[in-house]
Amino acid sequence: DIQMTQSPSSLSASVGDRVTITCRASQSISSYLNWYQQKPGKAPKLLIYAASSLQTGVPSRFSGSGSGTDFTLTISNLQPEDFATYYCQQSYSTPRTFGQGTKVEIK
Amino acid sequence: QVQLQQWGAGLLKPSETLSLTCAVFGGSFNGFYWSWIRQPPGKGLEWIGEINHSGSTNYNPSLKSRVTISVDTSKNQFSLKLSSVTAADTAVYYCARNKELSITRIQGISKRYYGMDVWGQGTTVTVSS
Repeated sequence: DIQMTQSPSSLSASVGDRVTITCRASQSISSYLNWYQQKPGKAPKLLIYAASSLQTGVPSRFSGSGSGTDFTLTISNLQPEDFATYYCQQSYSTPRTFGQGTKVEIK
Repeated sequence: QVQLQQWGAGLLKPSETLSLTCAVFGGSFNGFYWSWIRQPPGKGLEWIGEINHSGSTNYNPSLKSRVTISVDTSKNQFSLKLSSVTAADTAVYYCARNKELSITRIQGISKRYYGMDVWGQGTTVTVSS
């Protein structure tokens, strides 16, 4: 199985901040990397696919980058509705695996 | 707009079989993989497995011996069965559509990028004696 490791596990930030979350794969996964946002009690929501492509309807303040083993999700100009938990997920092979999550909290 | 609606028993005793169904409304059933994912209380997401309209499946090896995912194309539904449950199977279970979102061709090789773009509302399953 491909292991996905996110850092940090949690972070505190203020509205308007720029936030960066990293995800590392245990082997190269090219650009087969997705990012999801999950709010408490809700299903995850797809934000980014293919490492850097923005899913339809997702605000442009979300961006993704990386390839191979190292990936980044960046939220520029953090908004109140962005406080949530973020997960990376590899779509390179089965079993499809997720990172452990990064909780973005209000400072 | 595609919607997934899921249902199933929420309280099970150890050794029983978990059974959940997910119905697809408002869109095509063919041409996608349909997935099950679970999330234990306070923890992260675990992919259970997936199936396409023709019944081709992929399972998580950690659960494969206990999992069966099936499809009923006449009803646009797919189902999850997990046998011999224990307290460790207590989780919110989600169904989701795994869609091909883009294709790129590099040096004659096609790369197909998939993502889980539509999710069910989640079903809380508790295993307790």
